[in-house]
Amino acid sequence: AQTVTQSQPEMSVQEAETVTLSCTYDTSESDYYLFWYKQPPSRQMILVIRQEAYKQQNATENRFSVNFQKAAKSFSLKISDSQLGDAAMYFCAYRSGLDSNYQLIWGAGTKLIIKP
Amino acid sequence: DAGVIQSPRHEVTEMGQEVTLRCKPISGHNSLFWYRQTMMRGLELLIYFNNNVPIDDSGMPEDRFSAKMPNASFSTLKIQPSEPRDSAVYFCASCNQGEQYFGPGTRLTVT
Repeated sequence: AQTVTQSQPEMSVQEAETVTLSCTYDTSESDYYLFWYKQPPSRQMILVIRQEAYKQQNATENRFSVNFQKAAKSFSLKISDSQLGDAAMYFCAYRSGLDSNYQLIWGAGTKLIIKP
Repeated sequence: DAGVIQSPRHEVTEMGQEVTLRCKPISGHNSLFWYRQTMMRGLELLIYFNNNVPIDDSGMPEDRFSAKMPNASFSTLKIQPSEPRDSAVYFCASCNQGEQYFGPGTRLTVT
């Protein structure tokens, strides 16, 4: 069975600096997708970024980028120029490419604190 | 698009009462998921539907919980009777091409 591990329960960063959130996963599959979701205090879950396993290029969305290391089964999220609005819980999630029901396997989350 | 719509946003009820949570998925999405989130257990998948058919309800905690999806634009999660340990935030998410889009959640408090 696939698992997703986020080893950092909490991280803090100074405003305007860069922070990296870690995520590792375990799978025997070669076709899968990885996601980062953000949950701010308003509690709405928001999709931040998505990575297809078959793509070698790391996904980027504005200040958010990932470091996808397929062999190491690592999928970290880098947030550049951190802003106060980035304060939230961040969840890493895995989806099998074989699952036509699109079920996600979730990590436990990392709470990101932004220091002004 | 209005996104996934959930109602009510907040629900406070007494133990033993029936609670019904509602979800309207994004139009055109054919998968729908119900999650529960608590501090103790994090985000738990309760049940999911594909094309209005329940696919996996193994996450439903007890027979007190039931979910229906009578059509492609509406789903309900019912708890009868409710208990204080059911207090949580309940999310609905819909999906079409693999990306799940979440509703704002319903915060349920059972006293």
